[in-house]
Parts: sequence; structure tokens; C-alpha cells
Amino acid sequence: KNEVEQSPQNLTAQEEEFITINCSYSVGISALHWLQQHPGGGIVSLFMLSSGKKKHGRLIATINIQEKHSSLHITASHPRDSAVYICAVPNFGNEKLTFGTGTRLTIIP
Amino acid sequence: DAGVIQSPRHEVTEMGQEVTLRCKPISGHNSLFWYRQTMMRGLELLIYFNNNVPIDDSGMPEDRFSAKMPNASFSTLKIQPSEPRDSAVYFCASSFAEVGIQYFGAGTRLSVL
Repeated sequence: KNEVEQSPQNLTAQEEEFITINCSYSVGISALHWLQQHPGGGIVSLFMLSSGKKKHGRLIATINIQEKHSSLHITASHPRDSAVYICAVPNFGNEKLTFGTGTRLTIIP
Repeated sequence: DAGVIQSPRHEVTEMGQEVTLRCKPISGHNSLFWYRQTMMRGLELLIYFNNNVPIDDSGMPEDRFSAKMPNASFSTLKIQPSEPRDSAVYFCASSFAEVGIQYFGAGTRLSVL
């Protein structure tokens, strides 16, 4: 089973700050997922990436396969970005995901 | 598409009662996942189906839990008998396997008293 670690566990920042959330995993993977869970509880898939970088609006996800590490960046952060961000990796050969413990992000106006 | 639809959104029941959670995946998706989320353990996969066939049920806690997918548009997760430690939010998600991105339902918040 892949071990997934996220850091930091909690992050509070001022609006407009650049945010970085990190994820490390122990076993080589085919792709990594970033999810967002809103305060109301809903879960949304943000990215699935297997190499390089992906960008969607103010969100950027990068992955370094050799170092078994991924980062999620948020530029020009806004209070509506306040949520829990979770990374997840599959067990090799199937779709079963192992989840990190999440990073709780709070953006203060 | 309406997305993944779960019902009920909230369920309150007494210990010992049977609970059935329902999920309708996104049309065209061929993989379906049941997850449980608690404060202590975070998100955990209970079971997943591919083309209506259970592929991995190693996360199902014990015999009290069972899941079925009789067709491509419907799945159930049943707990019988329920216990207070089953209280959690249960999510259903679906994906088109080759793509891999999973789309989550809104979840069912279960409270067992």
C-alpha cells in the first residue's frame, strides 16, 4: 500500500498570498489526484496528473515522479479557496486510491 | 449530466437497524466507488466496482457491510445491523476507468444512535 503524506496539516494565510501544499508518496505511481473538500462537505476533483504541470485558473499542480512528490499551488488566494485539499495516489495496477490526511486551508480577507 | 446522485443525504437511525445507502453514477461511467469519511480515519475506500463487478472489497469493515451493483446505473451499500461506530459520511464516486478522474456525490451523513 502506498503511504501518502501531506504538509502542512493546517495553513492560514492572508488573501492574495501564494499558497503551496505538498504531497509525498512512497511507491511509484501512474498518476496522482488532487481533491478539494469544501466546508459543506462536497468533494471535487481538481487534477489528475502523471508528469510535469497542470494549470486550471489560479490553481497549479506539479509532480516530480523521480522524487515521488507533488505540489498544489494557489496564486492570488481568496477566501473562497478555504477548504481541505487532499492528495491521493492509486495502488499500482488498479484504481484503488490511498488518501493523504488533507491540508486545511483558511484564507483570511 | 446531473452528476453522481446519492440518497438519502442524511440518515439517522437506531443501533441494530438496517441502513441502505443508494448511488446513481454518471451515465457512461464504468467504475463506481464507495468511501467512508470520519474525523479519525479520513477518507477510506470501502469497495469499488468495474463494469458492475466488485473488484476490491478489502476496505469493507466486516460482514455487516455489503454492496451491490445490479446494473450500470445503480448501486447500494447496506449496513445490517448498524452500530454507532458506523456513523460517518459515506461518499459514492464514479469514473470512466481509462480517464481515472473520480466524480463524487454529495455524500450521505449517517448517524447511528
